[in-house]
Amino acid sequence: SQQGEEDPQALSIQEGENATMNCSYKTSINNLQWYRQNSGRGLVHLILIRSNEREKHSGRLRVTLDTSKKSSSLLITASRAADTASYFCAFMEYGNKLVFGAGTILRVKS
Amino acid sequence: ETGVTQTPRHLVMGMTNKKSLKCEQHLGHNAMYWYKQSAKKPLELMFVYSLEERVENNSVPSRFSPECPNSSHLFLHLHTLQPEDSALYLCASSQDFGMTEAFFGQGTRLTVV
Repeated sequence: SQQGEEDPQALSIQEGENATMNCSYKTSINNLQWYRQNSGRGLVHLILIRSNEREKHSGRLRVTLDTSKKSSSLLITASRAADTASYFCAFMEYGNKLVFGAGTILRVKS
Repeated sequence: ETGVTQTPRHLVMGMTNKKSLKCEQHLGHNAMYWYKQSAKKPLELMFVYSLEERVENNSVPSRFSPECPNSSHLFLHLHTLQPEDSALYLCASSQDFGMTEAFFGQGTRLTVV
C-alpha cells in the first residue's frame, strides 16, 4: 500500500493571499479527497474529486486532478487567519482503502 | 461536530495498564475505522469494520484489540503498550466501506509512560 506525498510540507502566507498545496500518488485511484485538521483535533472533510473529474470548486476551495500525472492540487483563495491548519490529501485506492498523505501545514498570518 | 464522538479525549497510561478507547456514531454509517496519527507521520489505518465485521487489519500489534459490538460503536482495547504507541488515535465512519467521505472524531491523545 502506498502513502501519498504532499508538498510543500509547510506554507506560510499573508492573509488575503492564495495558498496552493499539491499531492501525488502512485497507483490508480477511485477518488481523491482533501481534509483539514486543526491542531490536535479530528479531520474534517473538505472536498472530493472523482477520477473522471478534472476540477471542482467549493466556496474558496478549488481542487484539480490530473490522473495522467497522478497529482492533485488544492487552492485556497483569499486566505484567512482561520484557514491556519494542516491539510491532507487522501485517495481511495481500488480495494476501497483510504490512504492519507503526510499533510501540509498552512499558517496564515494576519 | 461531525457526529462521531470519541472518549476519552486524553489518556495517560502505564505500560502495564489496560484501557479502552471508545467511539460512537449516530450517523447511520455502516463502516468504522481506527487510525493512528504519530508526529510527523501520515495517518496509519489500523482497523476497518464494515457491517460489524472486521475487513481490514493492517499488521497491527496484538496489544491493540478492536471490538465492534454494533454498527454505532467501536472500541480499541489497549494492553501492555509501549511508549512509541503514544499518538493521537482517530476514529472515523463512512456510509459504507470505501464510499465517499469519512467523518472523523476529535481523537484520543494517548500518552504511554
